[in-house]
Amino acid sequence: EPEVTQTPSHQVTQMGQEVILRCVPISNHLYFYWYRQILGQKVEFLVSFYNNEISEKSEIFDDQFSVERPDGSNFTLKIRSTKLEDSAMYFCASKRADNSPLHFGNGTRLTVT
Amino acid sequence: GENVEQHPSTLSVQEGDSAVIKCTYSDSASNYFPWYKQELGKGPQLIIDIRSNVGEKKDQRIAVTLNKTAKHFSLHITETQPEDSAVYFCAASINSGYSTLTFGKGTMLLVSP
Repeated sequence: EPEVTQTPSHQVTQMGQEVILRCVPISNHLYFYWYRQILGQKVEFLVSFYNNEISEKSEIFDDQFSVERPDGSNFTLKIRSTKLEDSAMYFCASKRADNSPLHFGNGTRLTVT
Repeated sequence: GENVEQHPSTLSVQEGDSAVIKCTYSDSASNYFPWYKQELGKGPQLIIDIRSNVGEKKDQRIAVTLNKTAKHFSLHITETQPEDSAVYFCAASINSGYSTLTFGKGTMLLVSP
């Protein structure tokens, strides 16, 4: 069964550094998302992406965050200058059509020191 | 925006017992209610979903019920097994276009042999 693939599984970075989290959504999917989960808390929406542009973003997704779909398969989340509070699991998700279930990857654990 | 409340936060049952997890939502426009299972170190995996045009849906040992009037929905797991142990999340959305999921805080289910 096709899967959403995320790399790396764990990223450690120093405060102030830039990080790029990578995702390969399921190949025939059209809608792409980033969610995050701070340890022990609920899964929170960050941003949705459709038709090569951001369709919605949460208040968490400030100017330090950006997303890109640089080619036909990858979907990336960049954090320009990481803060300690950015430490979390970041999940990429995708769905085929607007009435389809959302499929999640296994996440990237980001640790900011 | 949508707010989803989930109870209980932890649930311990004996193998073979039933488990029930309950969620309420605030936005009467929500019409799509998925349940996700998250095992340690993995992303949320969709286990069942229900749309607002039905009141109940079953898939083997798992069932979900929806009461639109009261704005609550529940997950029922019968004949629980140790491998059912995980964190379960409910979510709600208006399932059209790029609509986002709003998650509950999760229920840690522990099934003891």
